Amino acid sequence: DTAVSQTPKYLVTQMGNDKSIKCEQNLGHDTMYWYKQDSKKFLKIMFSYNNKELIINETVPNRFSPKSPDKAHLNLHINSLELGDSAVYFCASSLTGIQTYEQYFGPGTRLTVT
Amino acid sequence: KNEVEQSPQNLTAQEGEFITINCSYSVGISALHWLQQHPGGGIVSLFMLSSGKKKHGRLIATINIQEKHSSLHITASHPRDSAVYICAVAPPEYGNKLVFGAGTILRVKS
Repeated sequence: DTAVSQTPKYLVTQMGNDKSIKCEQNLGHDTMYWYKQDSKKFLKIMFSYNNKELIINETVPNRFSPKSPDKAHLNLHINSLELGDSAVYFCASSLTGIQTYEQYFGPGTRLTVT
Repeated sequence: KNEVEQSPQNLTAQEGEFITINCSYSVGISALHWLQQHPGGGIVSLFMLSSGKKKHGRLIATINIQEKHSSLHITASHPRDSAVYICAVAPPEYGNKLVFGAGTILRVKS
């Protein structure tokens, strides 16, 4: 009964390849997020979707394209992978409204680009 | 300068010690979050608070909105508390976007 799940947990690939990371939540939340955690453990938001609509799009290269087929899923596709894309990517979800809600994080996907 | 500053960056304590991690922020917020990340592990939300104080087990989080400061306290620390503790704030004009501190690496020795 995992709340927020991500696949794969580990991803090792070569420069120039295209890869996808999948995220699913079963909490009934209406907002999902992608975060990138660099080697110094610093977290930064990449994207946020609310009811399948893109809400937040930080300064992320066009090679990164999120896709939300429904409220429970938010996938991240990365084209032409570069060495600097190596990081841990976390998916998260929350409710949204006038107040701020707690965010629930997935286990992370460690991407290594060689 | 980051909008969220945490101190200390690294902290080593002996088992049983009382631990305090501080977080200062420079923007208006609707809430502040404390998150925990164990080595190689996922991220767990410990607290979300917008005023006062919250307690869960041996963990206590306080916030002073006027001073733009929050503290996370761990009483009777244990080696299993060893983790990275991350402060994050939610500025209301940012929607649901969280702005993160750099984290505090805590190591509790037995």
